[in-house]
Amino acid sequence: AQTVTQSQPEMSVQEAETVTLSCTYDTSESNYYLFWYKQPPSRQMILVIRQEAYKQQNATENRFSVNFQKAAKSFSLKISDSQLGDTAMYFCAFMRSGTYKYIFGTGTRLKVLA
Amino acid sequence: NAGVTQTPKFQVLKTGQSMTLQCAQDMNHEYMSWYRQDPGMGLRLIHYSVGAGITDQGEVPNGYNVSRSTTEDFPLRLLSAAPSQTSVYFCASSRQAVDGYTFGSGTRLTVV
Repeated sequence: AQTVTQSQPEMSVQEAETVTLSCTYDTSESNYYLFWYKQPPSRQMILVIRQEAYKQQNATENRFSVNFQKAAKSFSLKISDSQLGDTAMYFCAFMRSGTYKYIFGTGTRLKVLA
Repeated sequence: NAGVTQTPKFQVLKTGQSMTLQCAQDMNHEYMSWYRQDPGMGLRLIHYSVGAGITDQGEVPNGYNVSRSTTEDFPLRLLSAAPSQTSVYFCASSRQAVDGYTFGSGTRLTVV
């Protein structure tokens, strides 16, 4: 069975600084997808970034980028130029190809300090 | 284009009562799912559907039923509410796996 681990329950970062959230997963599959979701206090789950396992290139979306290390089964999220609006809970999710079922980590609560 | 719409946003039930959480999407997505979110446990899959008339169980299906009579709607039924079902419930839909899921705004359910 697949598992997703987010080892940092809480983190904080100064506004305009860079922060990295870690995520590791365990799977024997070779085809899968990885996602980062943001959940602000409004409760809405917002897709931040996605990565297809067969792609070597790390995904980037504006200030958000990932460091995908397939052999190490690691999928960290880097937030550059942190903004107060980035304050939220961040969830890492794994989806085996063909299943359409997420396995979520337990989340990292990020607080951006002014 | 409203996305994924969940109703109600808040609900309080007494133990033993039944109710249906509604979920509708207007994006013509084939894939829909229900998750529950509990403190310290992330989101866990309850039931999912890969198209109208096709549903299957997820990780925590006990105490819940689903049906998918149309592409747009995917209601979640609580048969006999228990305090352990106190949670935030999210419905989500997707067109294809690489797109990821679009989530509704959630329903906070309290069972007393």
